[in-house]
Amino acid sequence: AQRVTQPEKLLSVFKGAPVELKCNYSYSGSPELFWYVQYSRQRLQLLLRHISRESIKGFTADLNKGETSFHLKKPFAQEEDSAMYYCALQDIEGAQKLVFGQGTRLTINP
Amino acid sequence: DTGVSQDPRHKITKRGQNVTFRCDPISEHNRLYWYRQTLGQGPEFLTYFQNEAQLEKSRLLSNRFSAERPKGSFSTLEIQRTEQGDSAMYLCASSWTSGRSTYNSPLHFGNGTRLTVT
Repeated sequence: AQRVTQPEKLLSVFKGAPVELKCNYSYSGSPELFWYVQYSRQRLQLLLRHISRESIKGFTADLNKGETSFHLKKPFAQEEDSAMYYCALQDIEGAQKLVFGQGTRLTINP
Repeated sequence: DTGVSQDPRHKITKRGQNVTFRCDPISEHNRLYWYRQTLGQGPEFLTYFQNEAQLEKSRLLSNRFSAERPKGSFSTLEIQRTEQGDSAMYLCASSWTSGRSTYNSPLHFGNGTRLTVT
């Protein structure tokens, strides 16, 4: 069964410090993985997807198939990064629906 | 705003009443998804449409829930005989797919409809 685990419900770091949000997945095939972000009072929006290999707002995420992980990293956190972050795995066949983790609330302290 | 829109934003209803939510996807998107999100959880898949065809329903979707997308554009989600456990945020998302797994746009989400059943 497909499953996404985000072990930290809450994460708090100081501005300028590095941040890493953990995501582990369980999937029998080749996964497509995403990070979605939800800022206060805004809709859920795509932050990045692994096939793009882009860096968005200074965030990067590397797919590690051996460890079945897709951790989100940023070297220097900014206050505007405070938000709810969801890791998601997509079926590449069929419905191509997203399976989400529980989310991590990231708070950047000044 | 040409994104996914959902109506209403909030709905308070009494247990046992029926409610209906509407979702207008991004116009060129052929897939439409419904998700439910409860407090402290990530969104959970309920059902999806490709054009007007409903192709998959989660086992989370009891027979009190029904969704339609009659013309392959907007969609409605109806909950009959609401229960307190139905209280949640109902999210709609849309995407475009070529249907051959060669390219699929990411899912774009609406703001959601927050349902409170008293």
